[in-house]
Amino acid sequence: GAVVSQHPSRVICKSGTSVKIECRSLDFQATTMFWYRQFPKQSLMLMATSNEGSKATYEQGVEKDKFLINHASLTLSTLTVTSAHPEDSSFYICSARDGGANTEAFFGQGTRLTVV
Amino acid sequence: GIQVEQSPPDLILQEGANSTLRCNFSDSVNNLQWFHQNPWGQLINLFYIPSGTKQNGRLSATTVATERYSLLYISSSQTTDSGVYFCAVGSGGSNYKLTFGKGTLLTVNP
Repeated sequence: GAVVSQHPSRVICKSGTSVKIECRSLDFQATTMFWYRQFPKQSLMLMATSNEGSKATYEQGVEKDKFLINHASLTLSTLTVTSAHPEDSSFYICSARDGGANTEAFFGQGTRLTVV
Repeated sequence: GIQVEQSPPDLILQEGANSTLRCNFSDSVNNLQWFHQNPWGQLINLFYIPSGTKQNGRLSATTVATERYSLLYISSSQTTDSGVYFCAVGSGGSNYKLTFGKGTLLTVNP
Protein backbone atom coordinates (compact mmCIF):
# COMPACT_ATOMS: atom_id res chain seq x y z
CA GLY A 1 0.00 0.00 0.00
CA ALA A 2 0.85 3.66 -0.18
CA VAL A 3 3.13 5.15 2.46
CA VAL A 4 2.32 8.23 4.53
CA SER A 5 5.10 9.49 6.79
CA GLN A 6 4.57 11.81 9.72
CA HIS A 7 7.21 13.69 11.68
CA PRO A 8 7.97 14.06 14.50
CA SER A 9 6.54 10.99 16.20
CA ARG A 10 6.78 12.58 19.61
CA VAL A 11 7.26 16.16 20.76
CA ILE A 12 7.25 17.96 24.08
CA CYS A 13 6.93 21.72 24.10
CA LYS A 14 6.40 24.51 26.58
CA SER A 15 3.12 26.37 26.92
CA GLY A 16 2.92 29.31 24.60
CA THR A 17 5.22 27.94 21.94
CA SER A 18 4.25 26.64 18.49
CA VAL A 19 4.82 23.17 17.12
CA LYS A 20 4.85 22.07 13.48
CA ILE A 21 3.94 18.55 12.40
CA GLU A 22 4.72 17.32 8.89
CA CYS A 23 2.79 14.78 6.86
CA ARG A 24 4.31 13.45 3.66
CA SER A 25 3.04 11.07 1.01
CA LEU A 26 6.20 9.20 0.06
CA ASP A 27 5.27 7.32 -3.09
CA PHE A 28 2.24 9.16 -4.43
CA GLN A 29 0.79 12.61 -4.84
CA ALA A 30 -2.07 13.71 -2.65
CA THR A 31 -4.20 16.73 -3.52
CA THR A 32 -6.13 16.19 -0.30
CA MET A 33 -4.88 15.19 3.12
CA PHE A 34 -6.76 14.89 6.39
CA TRP A 35 -5.75 15.73 9.96
CA TYR A 36 -7.24 13.84 12.89
CA ARG A 37 -6.93 14.16 16.64
CA GLN A 38 -7.24 11.34 19.14
CA PHE A 39 -7.54 11.68 22.91
CA PRO A 40 -6.58 8.75 25.16
CA LYS A 41 -8.93 5.78 24.85
CA GLN A 42 -11.11 7.65 22.36
CA SER A 43 -11.74 7.51 18.65
CA LEU A 44 -10.24 9.64 15.92
CA MET A 45 -11.93 12.95 15.27
CA LEU A 46 -11.42 14.78 11.99
CA MET A 47 -10.00 18.25 12.51
CA ALA A 48 -9.59 19.53 8.98
CA THR A 49 -9.21 18.69 5.32
CA SER A 50 -6.03 20.00 3.77
CA ASN A 51 -6.27 20.97 0.10
CA GLU A 52 -3.18 21.48 -2.04
CA GLY A 53 -2.91 25.08 -3.18
CA SER A 54 -5.97 26.32 -1.31
CA LYS A 55 -7.26 26.93 2.17
CA ALA A 56 -7.98 24.06 4.51
CA THR A 57 -11.53 23.17 5.46
CA TYR A 58 -12.00 22.94 9.21
CA GLU A 59 -14.57 20.87 11.07
CA GLN A 60 -17.03 22.62 13.31
CA GLY A 61 -15.47 23.59 16.62
CA VAL A 62 -11.87 23.47 15.43
CA GLU A 63 -10.07 26.82 15.73
CA LYS A 64 -8.41 27.59 12.41
CA ASP A 65 -6.15 30.23 13.98
CA LYS A 66 -4.85 27.76 16.52
CA PHE A 67 -4.35 24.85 14.13
CA LEU A 68 -2.72 26.27 11.02
CA ILE A 69 -2.64 23.97 8.01
CA ASN A 70 -0.49 24.45 4.95
CA HIS A 71 -0.56 22.14 1.94
CA ALA A 72 2.07 23.72 -0.24
CA SER A 73 2.87 20.73 -2.45
CA LEU A 74 1.29 17.50 -3.61
CA THR A 75 3.37 15.49 -1.13
CA LEU A 76 3.46 17.64 1.99
CA SER A 77 0.93 19.03 4.43
CA THR A 78 1.86 20.66 7.72
CA LEU A 79 -0.14 21.26 10.89
CA THR A 80 1.10 23.98 13.22
CA VAL A 81 -0.29 24.13 16.71
CA THR A 82 0.13 27.77 17.68
CA SER A 83 0.49 29.09 21.23
CA ALA A 84 0.13 25.57 22.55
CA HIS A 85 -1.52 24.91 25.90
CA PRO A 86 -1.67 21.72 27.99
CA GLU A 87 -5.18 21.00 26.71
CA ASP A 88 -3.71 20.73 23.19
CA SER A 89 -1.78 17.66 24.32
CA SER A 90 -3.05 14.83 22.17
CA PHE A 91 -2.24 12.34 19.42
CA TYR A 92 -2.39 13.90 15.95
CA ILE A 93 -2.62 11.69 12.85
CA CYS A 94 -2.67 12.58 9.17
CA SER A 95 -4.14 10.63 6.29
CA ALA A 96 -4.05 10.64 2.49
CA ARG A 97 -5.28 8.61 -0.45
CA ASP A 98 -3.24 7.56 -3.45
CA GLY A 99 -6.25 7.72 -5.73
CA GLY A 100 -9.64 9.34 -6.00
CA ALA A 101 -12.31 9.73 -3.38
CA ASN A 102 -13.40 6.08 -3.51
CA THR A 103 -10.00 4.65 -2.75
CA GLU A 104 -8.22 3.39 0.33
CA ALA A 105 -6.91 5.92 2.84
CA PHE A 106 -3.51 5.48 4.49
CA PHE A 107 -2.38 6.98 7.76
CA GLY A 108 0.85 8.37 9.12
CA GLN A 109 2.44 7.04 12.27
CA GLY A 110 0.96 9.84 14.36
CA THR A 111 2.52 12.54 16.54
CA ARG A 112 2.14 12.50 20.29
CA LEU A 113 2.20 16.12 21.47
CA THR A 114 2.73 16.94 25.12
CA VAL A 115 2.52 20.56 26.21
CA VAL A 116 4.06 21.30 29.59
CA GLY B 1 -23.55 13.55 9.57
CA ILE B 2 -23.25 9.81 9.27
CA GLN B 3 -23.22 7.79 12.49
CA VAL B 4 -20.96 4.78 13.00
CA GLU B 5 -21.53 2.30 15.80
CA GLN B 6 -19.19 -0.52 16.66
CA SER B 7 -19.88 -3.50 18.88
CA PRO B 8 -18.87 -4.87 21.23
CA PRO B 9 -16.90 -2.02 22.82
CA ASP B 10 -14.68 -4.51 24.63
CA LEU B 11 -13.89 -8.14 23.97
CA ILE B 12 -11.68 -10.55 25.90
CA LEU B 13 -10.66 -13.85 24.32
CA GLN B 14 -8.43 -16.78 24.99
CA GLU B 15 -5.78 -17.45 22.40
CA GLY B 16 -7.15 -19.61 19.60
CA ALA B 17 -10.73 -18.37 19.87
CA ASN B 18 -12.68 -16.80 17.04
CA SER B 19 -14.47 -13.46 17.14
CA THR B 20 -16.79 -11.22 15.16
CA LEU B 21 -16.72 -7.44 15.35
CA ARG B 22 -19.62 -5.42 13.98
CA CYS B 23 -19.91 -1.98 12.44
CA ASN B 24 -23.30 -0.37 11.78
CA PHE B 25 -23.65 2.87 9.85
CA SER B 26 -26.58 5.20 9.42
CA ASP B 27 -26.39 6.08 5.73
CA SER B 28 -25.16 4.74 2.42
CA VAL B 29 -21.38 4.76 2.10
CA ASN B 30 -18.84 4.99 -0.69
CA ASN B 31 -15.91 3.97 1.44
CA LEU B 32 -15.49 1.60 4.38
CA GLN B 33 -12.26 0.55 5.99
CA TRP B 34 -11.22 -1.56 8.96
CA PHE B 35 -8.10 -0.68 10.93
CA HIS B 36 -6.10 -2.13 13.78
CA GLN B 37 -4.43 0.45 15.99
CA ASN B 38 -1.25 -0.92 17.48
CA PRO B 39 0.11 0.02 20.94
CA TRP B 40 2.19 2.83 19.41
CA GLY B 41 -0.87 4.40 17.83
CA GLN B 42 -0.20 3.43 14.23
CA LEU B 43 -3.30 2.60 12.24
CA ILE B 44 -2.78 -0.59 10.28
CA ASN B 45 -5.00 -0.99 7.23
CA LEU B 46 -6.86 -4.29 7.38
CA PHE B 47 -9.51 -4.01 4.68
CA TYR B 48 -10.91 -1.52 2.21
CA ILE B 49 -14.38 -2.98 1.79
CA PRO B 50 -17.31 -0.72 0.81
CA SER B 51 -19.14 -3.87 -0.25
CA GLY B 52 -18.63 -7.61 -0.59
CA THR B 53 -16.31 -10.02 1.18
CA LYS B 54 -12.54 -10.15 1.47
CA GLN B 55 -10.11 -12.43 3.26
CA ASN B 56 -6.54 -11.98 4.34
CA GLY B 57 -5.08 -14.86 6.29
CA ARG B 58 -6.92 -15.28 9.58
CA LEU B 59 -8.94 -12.13 9.00
CA SER B 60 -11.93 -11.66 6.79
CA ALA B 61 -14.55 -8.96 6.38
CA THR B 62 -17.99 -8.64 4.88
CA THR B 63 -19.93 -5.48 4.13
CA VAL B 64 -23.63 -5.59 3.33
CA ALA B 65 -24.08 -2.05 2.07
CA THR B 66 -27.84 -2.35 1.52
CA GLU B 67 -28.31 -3.26 5.19
CA ARG B 68 -25.69 -0.79 6.40
CA TYR B 69 -23.35 -3.02 8.33
CA SER B 70 -19.93 -4.60 8.11
CA LEU B 71 -18.41 -7.50 10.00
CA LEU B 72 -14.77 -8.27 10.77
CA TYR B 73 -13.95 -11.89 11.56
CA ILE B 74 -10.82 -12.92 13.42
CA SER B 75 -10.11 -16.63 13.54
CA SER B 76 -7.63 -18.51 15.73
CA SER B 77 -6.81 -15.30 17.59
CA GLN B 78 -3.29 -14.62 18.80
CA THR B 79 -2.00 -12.33 21.54
CA THR B 80 -0.60 -10.05 18.84
CA ASP B 81 -4.16 -9.43 17.66
CA SER B 82 -4.79 -7.40 20.81
CA GLY B 83 -5.50 -3.72 20.33
CA VAL B 84 -8.27 -1.45 19.12
CA TYR B 85 -10.14 -2.20 15.92
CA PHE B 86 -11.75 0.73 14.16
CA CYS B 87 -14.32 0.85 11.42
CA ALA B 88 -14.36 4.06 9.37
CA VAL B 89 -16.78 5.10 6.65
CA GLY B 90 -16.95 7.76 4.02
CA SER B 91 -20.06 9.07 2.33
CA GLY B 92 -20.94 11.89 -0.01
CA GLY B 93 -18.98 15.06 -0.63
CA SER B 94 -16.02 15.54 -2.89
CA ASN B 95 -13.36 14.60 -0.39
CA TYR B 96 -14.92 11.52 1.16
CA LYS B 97 -13.51 12.15 4.60
CA LEU B 98 -13.70 9.19 6.96
CA THR B 99 -15.90 9.06 10.04
CA PHE B 100 -14.66 6.64 12.67
CA GLY B 101 -16.58 4.46 15.08
CA LYS B 102 -15.53 4.35 18.71
CA GLY B 103 -13.67 1.10 18.22
CA THR B 104 -13.57 -2.35 19.78
CA LEU B 105 -10.84 -3.02 22.33
CA LEU B 106 -9.75 -6.62 21.85
CA THR B 107 -7.66 -8.39 24.45
CA VAL B 108 -6.35 -11.85 23.64
CA ASN B 109 -4.98 -13.70 26.62
CA PRO B 110 -2.41 -16.53 26.35
